[in-house]
Amino acid sequence: GQQLNQSPQSMFIQEGEDVSMNCTSSSIFNTWLWYKQDPGEGPVLLIALYKAGELTSNGRLTAQFGITRKDSFLNISASIPSDVGIYFCAGLPPRSGNTGKLIFGQGTTLQVKP
Amino acid sequence: DAGVIQSPRHEVTEMGQEVTLRCKPISGHNSLFWYRQTMMRGLELLIYFNNNVPIDDSGMPEDRFSAKMPNASFSTLKIQPSEPRDSAVYFCASSPGTGGSGEQYFGPGTRLTVT
Repeated sequence: GQQLNQSPQSMFIQEGEDVSMNCTSSSIFNTWLWYKQDPGEGPVLLIALYKAGELTSNGRLTAQFGITRKDSFLNISASIPSDVGIYFCAGLPPRSGNTGKLIFGQGTTLQVKP
Repeated sequence: DAGVIQSPRHEVTEMGQEVTLRCKPISGHNSLFWYRQTMMRGLELLIYFNNNVPIDDSGMPEDRFSAKMPNASFSTLKIQPSEPRDSAVYFCASSPGTGGSGEQYFGPGTRLTVT
């Protein structure tokens, strides 16, 4: 089946630094989604991307839908302590129809040192 | 607007007992998903429904697991009998589904501990 490779697996950075993480696949996707999960909570949708090449921002977060439709990246600028958490990418395969069955990456654990 | 609601938030039970997890999706959403999350296996899709009909239950680990969606505003995931290896966080998510773009919205999860 389709798989997503998310990297890096974990990051430990200094407050104020920029962060970049990405997801790649050997298969194409119609939609890319980025989620953040805080400890003890469910994943929260951060950004949704619908077209190849699309670049979308949400505050300090920026994500892009790769032109080949096989990858996506998420950047966080000027990190702050509350950015700590696990970030997941998710892709919607072309033949998932209207049901929306997503493929999830393994997650990137982000820790921010004040 | 209320998001996805799950209950209970925490459940501790003894091996062999029946466990029922509950979910209320976002009003108007047509698709509902049950996931299990563990450190070892990450986020796993167990089963999903579209318009209250189970579409794919290939992720359900064993016959001990069953899920129902009697109406558009309620779903249950039942484990009978429960085992220690079922300990995990169980998430319910809903999606606009038909005509939607795949966005799923997660509930806060139920942390299940089976002793």
